[in-house]
Amino acid sequence: DQQVKQNSPSLSVQEGRISILNCDYTNSMFDYFLWYKKYPAEGPTFLISISSIKDKNEDGRFTVFLNKSAKHLSLHIVPSQPGDSAVYFCAASPSNDYKLSFGAGTTVTVRA
Amino acid sequence: DVKVTQSSRYLVKRTGEKVFLECVQDMDHENMFWYRQDPGLGLRLIYFSYDVKMKEKGDIPEGYSVSREKKERFSLILESASTNQTSMYLCASRGVGAGPPNSPLHFGNGTRLTVT
Repeated sequence: DQQVKQNSPSLSVQEGRISILNCDYTNSMFDYFLWYKKYPAEGPTFLISISSIKDKNEDGRFTVFLNKSAKHLSLHIVPSQPGDSAVYFCAASPSNDYKLSFGAGTTVTVRA
Repeated sequence: DVKVTQSSRYLVKRTGEKVFLECVQDMDHENMFWYRQDPGLGLRLIYFSYDVKMKEKGDIPEGYSVSREKKERFSLILESASTNQTSMYLCASRGVGAGPPNSPLHFGNGTRLTVT
């Protein structure tokens, strides 16, 4: 059973608008969360992370929000750009564990 | 910059063949991983190695084995390929430093394996 769920397989957004990607997790031991971005024919690349001691982490146009009580995190991209069109994976693990659990991914398409 | 190189971008093999997928990293990373990516399932961990000659099963190790004889190289072996092993295979590495055990992974570009 998947412990990390991305329930929206795809998202289409106008250039310049906000993209919001959602991720839910079931394992209460997870306390470290990451987002990866993947272009076709390339491997995933790390985008941004957050630990459970925070509820928000920002890096340029990318912000991740964590709601521990709801076991939910989201990634906001503002403003969205055509180069943001990619598959985004949410991942999580306990902070003392090598293993990451990944979601199924959300394909973002940014329309010009 | 970290480079993780997977030897083949595309492979086509027949059912029952023994298949080797090779991965090399150039950053002296201790940890190396093999994932497979399937639509609707995301990335699932097959095996990982935390150092030379050390390995541990991931979530879906059945039908696979691994070899880590040198620090820079991590091989995934399909003992007898089956059609349900048709997938995208991704190798990753990570250094053990000041960060947490789950600091970001560096991925290769993947090997698309088709078993017919």
